[in-house]
Amino acid sequence: QKEVEQNSGPLSVPEGAIASLNCTYSDRGSQSFFWYRQYSGKSPELIMSIYSNGDKEDGRFTAQLNKASQYVSLLIRDSQPSDSATYLCAVNSPPNFGNEKLTFGTGTRLTIIP
Amino acid sequence: KAGVTQTPRYLIKTRGQQVTLSCSPISGHRSVSWYQQTPGQGLQFLFEYFSETQRNKGNFPGRFSGRQFSNSRSEMNVSTLELGDSALYLCASSPTGLAGEETQYFGPGTRLLVL
Repeated sequence: QKEVEQNSGPLSVPEGAIASLNCTYSDRGSQSFFWYRQYSGKSPELIMSIYSNGDKEDGRFTAQLNKASQYVSLLIRDSQPSDSATYLCAVNSPPNFGNEKLTFGTGTRLTIIP
Repeated sequence: KAGVTQTPRYLIKTRGQQVTLSCSPISGHRSVSWYQQTPGQGLQFLFEYFSETQRNKGNFPGRFSGRQFSNSRSEMNVSTLELGDSALYLCASSPTGLAGEETQYFGPGTRLLVL
């Protein structure tokens, strides 16, 4: 089982609709969760971080975390063509004898259809 | 404030050669992490340096090594290049490292092609 799993997509969503991206992780002790957006040919940029169960909203983006189910999701409301990108889920493994690290999923490619 | 810079941006090498990549973090950031990104494996953690010391290491062979200088600039070296080393190599910087709730800022990457 991969440490962080995402559906690779592609996920196609009509402009103006809600895009829902999902991520599961295997390490029950993980404490910090991040969503990065990566445009083609560019480097990843952080768009959301979440550390406790529940929802966290920032503009059109909402991150949801359920530690019991080891599940984190990203919702994008009113999707725009500029949201077309690959979305990477990243999980911060807990500190353990200096082996703390950020583990990324392989990403979900999202396409917003005008 | 200037972002993370990486040099060179593109590199072509042949099998068996070695390569050195450079990363300059955001001013004031002391932690530099290196990642390898390939279409099949995604973004994989190589290692992290903090205050000139390797603090964390991913699951890569010893051919991959790095170092950090007193000004926090970091270099990554890959010896005896293999075809499978063709990838985008990204570095990311943050103030103190992976611990806690810090944002990692990525550089533009170095695209390495091994022939």
